[in-house]
Amino acid sequence: EAGVAQSPRYKIIEKRQSVAFWCNPISGHATLYWYQQILGQGPKLLIQFQNNGVVDDSQLPKDRFSAERLKGVDSTLKIQPAKLEDSAVYLCASSLPVQTQYFGPGTRLLVL
Amino acid sequence: GIQVEQSPPDLILQEGANSTLRCNFSDSVNNLQWFHQNPWGQLINLFYIPSGTKQNGRLSATTVATERYSLLYISSSQTTDSGVYFCAVGDTNAGKSTFGDGTTLTVKP
Repeated sequence: EAGVAQSPRYKIIEKRQSVAFWCNPISGHATLYWYQQILGQGPKLLIQFQNNGVVDDSQLPKDRFSAERLKGVDSTLKIQPAKLEDSAVYLCASSLPVQTQYFGPGTRLLVL
Repeated sequence: GIQVEQSPPDLILQEGANSTLRCNFSDSVNNLQWFHQNPWGQLINLFYIPSGTKQNGRLSATTVATERYSLLYISSSQTTDSGVYFCAVGDTNAGKSTFGDGTTLTVKP
C-alpha cells in the first residue's frame, strides 16, 4: 500500500514570495490533515479535511495561508506572501475517520 | 482547546535500559496516538490507543482515559530508539488533533 506522498521535499524562497505544497493521501482515506512543525516543537494542526469539507481550520493564518482539497483526494496548501516565521516543515497526514494518522515525509520550507 | 503535556522533555539512557514516557491531556478525547519521529523527520505511528493497553515487541502503551493520561513504555532500549516521541490526542467535540511538544530520547551505546 502506498503511503502519503508530498512534494516538493525542500523549498527555499524569499520573503513575500508565494509557495505551494502538494499532498496525495493514502487511497480511501477520507480525512486529510496539514500540520506545521517548527524546529523543536510538536506539529501544529493548520487544517483538517473530511472528504472535501473543512472540519477545522482554526489555526490557519487565513490572511496568507489557503488550502483546498478538490474532489476529496489530493490537497494543496499555499502561502502567499511568505514571511520569515513560516520557515518550518509542512506535514501532511491522512486517516480513516477517527483512526490512525499516517504521515508523509514533509516539505522543508526555508524563507530568506 | 485541549492541552497536551509530555514528560520528561529529555531523556538520556544507556542501551538496554527501560523507560516510561508520560502524556497528560486536559479534556476528554476520542483518540490518542503515540508517534516516533526519527532523525530524518519522518513521523511513524507506534500506537493508536484511546484507552486500554497495547504491546508491540519492546514497546507498550497504556491509556487511562478517565484520569486523562497515557504512558509509553520502552524496554531494553536500543540506539535506534533515539528520536522524539510525540503524543497526539483528538478532541471529542470537534475531532481536532493536538500534539504535545514531545520527549527527546537519546540512547547511548
